[in-house]
Amino acid sequence: EVQLLESGGGLVQPGGSLRLSCAASGFTFSSYAMSWVRQAPGKGLEWVSAISGSGGSTYYADSVKGRFTISRDNSKNTLYLQMNSLRAEDTAVYYCAKSYYSGSYYPWDFDYWGQGTLVTVSS
Amino acid sequence: QSALTQPPSASGSPGQSVTISCTGTSSDVGGYNYVSWYQQHPGKAPKLMIYEVSKRPSGVPDRFSGSKSGNTASLTVSGLQAEDEADYYCSSYAGSNTHVVFGGGTKLTVL
Repeated sequence: EVQLLESGGGLVQPGGSLRLSCAASGFTFSSYAMSWVRQAPGKGLEWVSAISGSGGSTYYADSVKGRFTISRDNSKNTLYLQMNSLRAEDTAVYYCAKSYYSGSYYPWDFDYWGQGTLVTVSS
Repeated sequence: QSALTQPPSASGSPGQSVTISCTGTSSDVGGYNYVSWYQQHPGKAPKLMIYEVSKRPSGVPDRFSGSKSGNTASLTVSGLQAEDEADYYCSSYAGSNTHVVFGGGTKLTVL
């Protein structure tokens, strides 16, 4: 059974940093691209960042480029999101999501999602 | 403002059909056959219902179907059931710079 378990969310002041983790199990982690998708309170979904199965390719939404860094440790089956220079508009539930297809073919469909971790940026 | 436009709400009675639209541009919905639909119940994670415009993942009832015409994609839910009441989001590939964009979501109410 595929499981994704996020952690690391919390309250942080504007300008601060936070590191999210997503522990994966139930599938061959290194074979799948992974993404972070966020949802502000009462709002819609916004794709944030993605990383290829090997970790060699990374992708970012313009809204977080230069501030967030995605990475993965395939030996630990864990996905990370390092968030720096946080802003109030980064407040959201952050989901990690597994790509539907393995390999490099179209990583932008997400068939499994974690339960999410809430990040609140406020003074 | 979301990149893809969805109606805020839709509704139907049990057993009826309802269609939710998702309008983009030729740079996303109209340019690629990579439109997906997600269902999200309150407090839960999204669930993939449709991918590549009209394909259903294993386990998704065939009451859910997808289509696309030009820059507008549609999700049709036939034979509405109470458990279909949820928020529905469309997404589309948007090229190698933007990658993927979502719609603002549609709240489906089963009357």
